[in-house]
Amino acid sequence: DGGITQSPKYLFRKEGQNVTLSCEQNLNHDAMYWYRQDPGQGLRLIYYSQIVNDFQKGDIAEGYSVSREKKESFPLTVTSAQKNPTAFYLCASSPLGGEAFFGQGTRLTVV
Amino acid sequence: QQQVKQSPQSLIVQKGGISIINCAYENTAFDYFPWYQQFPGKGPALLIAIRPDVSEKKEGRFTISFNKSAKQFSLHIMDSQPGDSATYFCAASRIRGANNLFFGTGTRLTVIP
Repeated sequence: DGGITQSPKYLFRKEGQNVTLSCEQNLNHDAMYWYRQDPGQGLRLIYYSQIVNDFQKGDIAEGYSVSREKKESFPLTVTSAQKNPTAFYLCASSPLGGEAFFGQGTRLTVV
Repeated sequence: QQQVKQSPQSLIVQKGGISIINCAYENTAFDYFPWYQQFPGKGPALLIAIRPDVSEKKEGRFTISFNKSAKQFSLHIMDSQPGDSATYFCAASRIRGANNLFFGTGTRLTVIP
C-alpha cells in the first residue's frame, strides 16, 4: 500500500517543548517537503529536501528543523523557538520534476 | 509576497451549476500549474494540472483554462455536485528547478442541493 504516512494525526505540545512530526514515504520519491497550513493562508513551505542529507529552507523555516538521513523519511521538529506552532502540518513528496503527493496531515496544538 | 493569488476566497454554487476559481501569478519561470482538492482534516489531493504549452485541459467535469500572456489560470467545475464541496488550491512551480510548489490561499467551495 504505497503512499505517505504522517504521524501522529493529533499532537499536543506544552509551552517550551520541542516536538517531532514523522513523515515516511514508500513511493521512492527523491523530494520531500513540509508545509504549514493556517486558515485563510493556504499552504506555506517550511523546508524541502531533494536528496538525502541535504535540505533547504522554505518561506517560514524559523523555529523548525528537519533531517533527511534516509530517502523515505523526513521528520520535522517544531522547536520552542516557534512562537505560534498551532497549525495543520502537511508532508509531501514527489519525484524530481513530477507530481507532489500529500500525507493526511498532523494537527499540532499548543496547550 | 504571495507568488500565486487566488480568488474568490469562498464560493457558493447551486447543484448543477458551474464553479469558477481564478488564479494569477507573476513569475514567468513557473511552468507547471496544478490544482488540489482538500476535504476537511485531510491532505490535499491532486485534481488536475496543466503545463503552459496548452491553453486548456479537461478531465471529466474539471477543466483548467490557461492564459500565458495574462499569467492567469482558472478551474471550472461543470455540473457541480454537493460532493465537490471542498477547499481548492491552485499552485505553481518550476518543474525543472527547485520543484517546490507555491500555493494560492484557497477557495472554499460549497455546492448546495
